[in-house]
Amino acid sequence: DTGVSQNPRHKITKRGQNVTFRCDPISEHNRLYWYRQTLGQGPEFLTYFQNEAQLEKSRLLSDRFSAERPKGSFSTLEIQRTEQGDSAMYLCASSLAQGALSGYTFGSGTRLTVV
Amino acid sequence: DQQVKQNSPSLSVQEGRISILNCDYTNSMFDYFLWYKKYPAEGPTFLISISSIKDKNEDGRFTVFLNKSAKHLSLHIVPSQPGDSAVYFCAASRNNAGNMLTFGGGTRLMVKP
Repeated sequence: DTGVSQNPRHKITKRGQNVTFRCDPISEHNRLYWYRQTLGQGPEFLTYFQNEAQLEKSRLLSDRFSAERPKGSFSTLEIQRTEQGDSAMYLCASSLAQGALSGYTFGSGTRLTVV
Repeated sequence: DQQVKQNSPSLSVQEGRISILNCDYTNSMFDYFLWYKKYPAEGPTFLISISSIKDKNEDGRFTVFLNKSAKHLSLHIVPSQPGDSAVYFCAASRNNAGNMLTFGGGTRLMVKP
């Protein structure tokens, strides 16, 4: 297992276009998280899944954002009608449900630039 | 409302000396706290954690101290090495929050040879 994999690493898109990011977690991890990080800030929680169920969504996640985790394996994060304010690093992480003190394993992120 | 704050955006120390990174929080409901390290172009890497029922946890060169009454935690790195140069984030969570983490804004540590 090579850890948490995110694709693409970089995405440049024009304002108004839709983008989709993919995250492949560590295979035995049943929890998967999406965070967003802007320059000079810490990661901000967006949403998380336990297996295929989306259990929590931040109010940061507007209606233009949707995340899925079909079959409890990989996950996708889609942003519709992108805005310049969506430019950020999008981080995916995975963990075991009972592994609170062991922390998450993060992927390297997808850097989105909206022009 | 920033529930987790790291008031020092940067810290510079000499190799071999102690690095002390600080973090304050406002939510008394947090049950555990974690520190992550982040190198450029990589995701954050878990470093060390502490439960709210403890006041100290040590792992090699890294020690985390928790002062619940002051709502303050700190990460000590002794001795500091140039490879420790990175951005350090503290994070906090509640037991019933699905391991959802609230992060501070980070402190950039620079260890000079």
